[in-house]
Amino acid sequence: DTQMTQSPSSLSASVGDRVTITCQASQDIYIYVSWFQQKPGKAPKLLIYDASNLERGVPARFSGSGSGTDFRFTISSLQPEDFATYYCQQYDNLPFTFGPGTQVDFK
Amino acid sequence: QVQLQESGPGLVKPSQTLSLTCTVSGRSISSGDYYLSWIRQNPEKGLEWIGYIYYTGRADYNPSLQSRTAISVDTSKNQFSLKLTSVTAADTAVYYCAGNWNRHGGNFDYWGQGAPVTVSS
Repeated sequence: DTQMTQSPSSLSASVGDRVTITCQASQDIYIYVSWFQQKPGKAPKLLIYDASNLERGVPARFSGSGSGTDFRFTISSLQPEDFATYYCQQYDNLPFTFGPGTQVDFK
Repeated sequence: QVQLQESGPGLVKPSQTLSLTCTVSGRSISSGDYYLSWIRQNPEKGLEWIGYIYYTGRADYNPSLQSRTAISVDTSKNQFSLKLTSVTAADTAVYYCAGNWNRHGGNFDYWGQGAPVTVSS
């Protein structure tokens, strides 16, 4: 299985801050990475696919980059509704696997 | 718009079979190349992909669960289902159905709200 690691596991930030989360895969997964946002009691929501493509309807303050084994997810200016947990996920090979998550909360 | 909704028992006894159904509304399952997945989440293992069934009728499973898992689809009812046999407390989780049409099988566009399942006697 491809292991996905994320850092940090949690972070505290303020509205307007730039937030960056990194994800590392245990093997080359090309660009086959998605990023999800999950709020308590809700299903994950797809934000980014193919490492850098914004899902339809997702605000442009969210972005992703990377290829191979190293990926980055950025929120350019944190908004109140962005406080949530974020997950990376690889879909280059089966089984599809998720990172452990990064919780973003209020500083 | 496309909506998915899980249904099934919230409590299952150890060694029994967990059965869940996902009803799709807003789109016919067979209206394109579909990939219909089951994913679960618990504090111990986080988000775990269980398996999917796709438009060819084939299903692929997570090797860690393969011997106990079966996913099927009923296009006439616009539903797909999960069966997980010989459950233990480690199978306690929120179970999500998820899917997409005409995209990579690992793109989870649409999700159900989640069905909490507890394994306990």
